[in-house]
Amino acid sequence: AQTVTQSQPEMSVQEAETVTLSCTYDTSESDYYLFWYKQPPSRQMILVIRQEAYKQQNATENRFSVNFQKAAKSFSLKISDSQLGDAAMYFCAYRSDLNSNSGYALNFGKGTSLLVTP
Amino acid sequence: NAGVMQNPRHLVRRRGQEARLRCSPMKGHSHVYWYRQLPEEGLKFMVYLQKENIIDESGMPKERFSAEFPKEGPSILRIQQVVRGDSAAYFCASSPPLAALYNEQFFGPGTRLTVL
Repeated sequence: AQTVTQSQPEMSVQEAETVTLSCTYDTSESDYYLFWYKQPPSRQMILVIRQEAYKQQNATENRFSVNFQKAAKSFSLKISDSQLGDAAMYFCAYRSDLNSNSGYALNFGKGTSLLVTP
Repeated sequence: NAGVMQNPRHLVRRRGQEARLRCSPMKGHSHVYWYRQLPEEGLKFMVYLQKENIIDESGMPKERFSAEFPKEGPSILRIQQVVRGDSAAYFCASSPPLAALYNEQFFGPGTRLTVL
């Protein structure tokens, strides 16, 4: 099974500043998908951004962008112009290609708790 | 279009009782996934179901846990003879058919199970 590692249990950022959350993964597959999910105190899992491994271009969604380094198996999330509402747990997740035997189960890291200070 | 519905949101059981967790997928979604989140942990895959079929239950504990997704009605995750270690948040997700471009999984709000 693929392993997803988030080495930062907690991170803190000031409002309007930029923060980067780290994620590395272990896989022997060449085709796969990577995701960042946000889990606010309500515990609802919200998809923030996705990246297909075959795409070289880094995904961007408004203030959220990723730095995908396939060779290094690294997938970091950058949050620009941080807002108080960004405070939450952030989970990195891996999913195999849909054509593989396990191409549906999401493998999650343990999460990074992001604190946003005024 | 309503999102994924889960009920109850909170469930308290005593050791040895049964817990039934329900999940109604989004309209048009025929694939359901159950995940468990232990305290301070990420979500762990348990089981993947389509209507009337269990596709993959490799993440399910071998005993006491079962899941179904009948032709009509919600998906049910059933835990028999609960123990304190079953206390966790249980999330359901649904997705459109696998042929969809991204096959994104949409999550419900979760059921927090507490075993006394």
